[in-house]
Amino acid sequence: QKEVEQNSGPLSVPEGAIASLNCTYSDRVSQSFFWYRQYSGKSPELIMSIYSNGDKEDGRFTAQLNKASQYVSLLIRDSQPSDSATYLCARGGQNFVFGPGTRLSVLP
Amino acid sequence: KAGVTQTPRYLIKTRGQQVTLSCSPISGHRSVSWYQQTPGQGLQFLFEYFSETQRNKGNFPGRFSGRQFSNSRSEMNVSTLELGDSALYLCASSLGGAPKQETQYFGPGTRLLVL
Repeated sequence: QKEVEQNSGPLSVPEGAIASLNCTYSDRVSQSFFWYRQYSGKSPELIMSIYSNGDKEDGRFTAQLNKASQYVSLLIRDSQPSDSATYLCARGGQNFVFGPGTRLSVLP
Repeated sequence: KAGVTQTPRYLIKTRGQQVTLSCSPISGHRSVSWYQQTPGQGLQFLFEYFSETQRNKGNFPGRFSGRQFSNSRSEMNVSTLELGDSALYLCASSLGGAPKQETQYFGPGTRLLVL
């Protein structure tokens, strides 16, 4: 079992819809989680971090963490074509472990 | 505040050669991590340096090495290049140390092609 798993997609949603990206992790002691967005040919850029159970909102993005279920998700509201990218989930610590990424395509 | 910078941005080498990549972290950041990204393997952790010491190491052969200088700038070296070393090499910096200072910010990467 890989430490951080994501559905590789592609996940296609129409413009204006909610995109839901999911991530599971195996290390129960993990305390911090991060979502990064990576456009094709570019480096990952941080969307948000989450440390506590529950929801954390930043603009159109909401991260959700459930430590009991070892599950973290990212919701993107009012999806735009510019959101089309690969989304990487990572569990933090001194040694970050990244999931394989989910490719999101927002259709105009 | 300037972001993470990496040089060079592109490199073409031949098998058997060696290469050195450089990374300058965000000012004030003391931790530098290196990653290799390939289409097949995704983003894989190479090593992390903090205050000039290698603190963590991923599962890569000894041909991959690194170091960090007193100004937190870091270099990684790959010796005896193989075709499979062709990849995007990413450097990420963070404050390091205490919890919630670990958020990593990536540089633009160095794209290495081994022929």
